[in-house]
Amino acid sequence: DQQVKQNSPSLSVQEGRISILNCDYTNSMFDYFLWYKKYPAEGPTFLISISSIKDKNEDGRFTVFLNKSAKHLSLHIVPSQPGDSAVYFCAFGEDNTDKLIFGTGTRLQVFP
Amino acid sequence: SQTIHQWPATLVQPVGSPLSLECTVEGTSNPNLYWYRQAAGRGLQLLFYSVGIGQISSEVPQNLSASRPQDRQFILSSKKLLLSDSGFYLCAFTGTYNSPLHFGNGTRLTVT
Repeated sequence: DQQVKQNSPSLSVQEGRISILNCDYTNSMFDYFLWYKKYPAEGPTFLISISSIKDKNEDGRFTVFLNKSAKHLSLHIVPSQPGDSAVYFCAFGEDNTDKLIFGTGTRLQVFP
Repeated sequence: SQTIHQWPATLVQPVGSPLSLECTVEGTSNPNLYWYRQAAGRGLQLLFYSVGIGQISSEVPQNLSASRPQDRQFILSSKKLLLSDSGFYLCAFTGTYNSPLHFGNGTRLTVT
């Protein structure tokens, strides 16, 4: 029962360009959509979220897009910086942000 | 400020040995507490969550158990470890309704 798919295990982007990370989901009951960032040997840290009533949320260089009809969530980082290099997880919740279901992660590498 | 502490950072244990991982939260009362596991090449899987002292819900059948002896203390245990218990274990909490999960730095468990 794989409710969430994060199909790209890795992504390599040049500094200054846009990074686009994607997730697809199947559960139409998801109400909350989040992105977490994880550095090696650390726990994930919350990055940005969006509720089901919106299709876009922006915070500085980070923008999350939600396409409910396509059941698709994406994260745009622009411009990408070397410090953005990390593993990014999408996460989904029903009714609230408890008991989140996570994707398998995408390792982003931003090179100079 | 709200903080979460998890220890140890790394642990190597033989098959059949017991396990005890501890997590404590500061700066909030009555948090919801969670144990997640990240196995190699997989996403974060919710193992247990707790909404109060002595209240534990298990999400997946397994060789592990959890306990919450105090409001801000969450313990993950096993009587006899299996090789398949190896992974990265993360404790997390939410302080208020619909606030994002905050993770500890994790414990890398290797069962040999």
